[in-house]
Parts: sequence; C-alpha cells; structure tokens
Amino acid sequence: GAGVSQTPSNKVTEKGKYVELRCDPISGHTALYWYRQSLGQGPEFLIYFQGTGAADDSGLPNDRFFAVRPEGSVSTLKIQRTERGDSAVYLCASSLGLAYNNEQFFGPGTRLTVL
Amino acid sequence: DQQVKQNSPSLSVQEGRISILNCDYTNSMFDYFLWYKKYPAEGPTFLISISSIKDKNEDGRFTVFLNKSAKHLSLHIVPSQPGDSAVYFCAAIETNAGKSTFGDGTTLTVKP
Repeated sequence: GAGVSQTPSNKVTEKGKYVELRCDPISGHTALYWYRQSLGQGPEFLIYFQGTGAADDSGLPNDRFFAVRPEGSVSTLKIQRTERGDSAVYLCASSLGLAYNNEQFFGPGTRLTVL
Repeated sequence: DQQVKQNSPSLSVQEGRISILNCDYTNSMFDYFLWYKKYPAEGPTFLISISSIKDKNEDGRFTVFLNKSAKHLSLHIVPSQPGDSAVYFCAAIETNAGKSTFGDGTTLTVKP
C-alpha cells in the first residue's frame, strides 16, 4: 500500500514567484495536514482538512499561503510572491480522521528553496 | 514563545545502553503527547504516545513517562540499537483544538 506522497521532492524558485506543492494522502484518509519545517526546528502546523473543508487554518503565516483539497483527497499548498524566508521543508500528513489519537502518516516532504 | 521544548539538540549513547530523551512543555491544556522518529529525507514516523490520564506507556523497547506536575515527558529506549539513530521529536496536542505542536528535536546517535 502506498504511503503519503508529495511532489515535487525539491523545488527551487526565485523570490516573488508562485509555487504549488502537492500532497497525495493515503487512500481512505479523510484528514490531511500541512506542516512547515525550517532548518533545525520541528514541524510547524499550517492547516488541516477534514474532507474538503479546512478545519483549522490558523497556522498559515499570512495571506500569501493558501491550501485546497477540492475532492477530499489530493491537496495543494499554494504560495504566492515567495520570499526567502519561505525556504523550508513542507510536510504533509494524513490520518483516518481528525480524532487526536488517529495516527498521522507523514510524506517525505517537499524541500522549497527560494533564491 | 515555544510551547514544547527539547533542550538537548543531540545525544550519543553506546549500543545496548539506555537512551533517555527529554521534553518539556508550558501549555497546561496539552493532554496528549507523542514521540516521532525521523530519518534523513523521510517524514516523521509515529513511535509512541501517552494520554495525560496516564504516567507511563510502554511498547517493546520504548517507554514514555509523563510528569504532569512538572510538565515534563521523557522517552526511554532500552536497549539502544544503532538503527535507533535518528532525530526524535516530541509533540503535544490540546485534544479540543486538535493540532500538534512539535519540539525542535533531539538527534540520537547510537554507537556500535
């Protein structure tokens, strides 16, 4: 069975550009989470979805960041007008549901570098 | 203001000995705690968890201890094996809120 996959694995972009990061969760998992991990730090919560709706987007740092999950499966994290400070590994995780004790399964991440 | 802290960035242990990784938290609303293990170029994988109604949870070589009054938890690995070498993250959840707050990780090296 496939785990969580994220594409691309690496993305290099220039300051000011727009990027999209994709997450394919485990089939049947209704909850999906996005985290950002900066160098030397732990994952930082950004947003999570239950089905198609964003249940909590309080971790998105500003309005340049947006995420969608239109069909309740694949999710895309969109970053507009990228800044050098956006450079980080973006992690996606999925779980059977939003209950706190449902194990989150993480993908390998997308390493974003903004030059 | 970091709510979950892992004050030791690294730990080195001899194979067969005990590894003890520590984690402190400040938010008294956290009531569920997890440890994750992360290898390079991979996402974190769940290791073990504990609810605030317990003070100990054990799974094979891994035991997590929770001291609520001190807002402290620890992960014990015994005996340590070279394959345990990885970054270990502590995470905490306020179950009503649902989102996880992570520490910055401790890099464990187990020497053969």
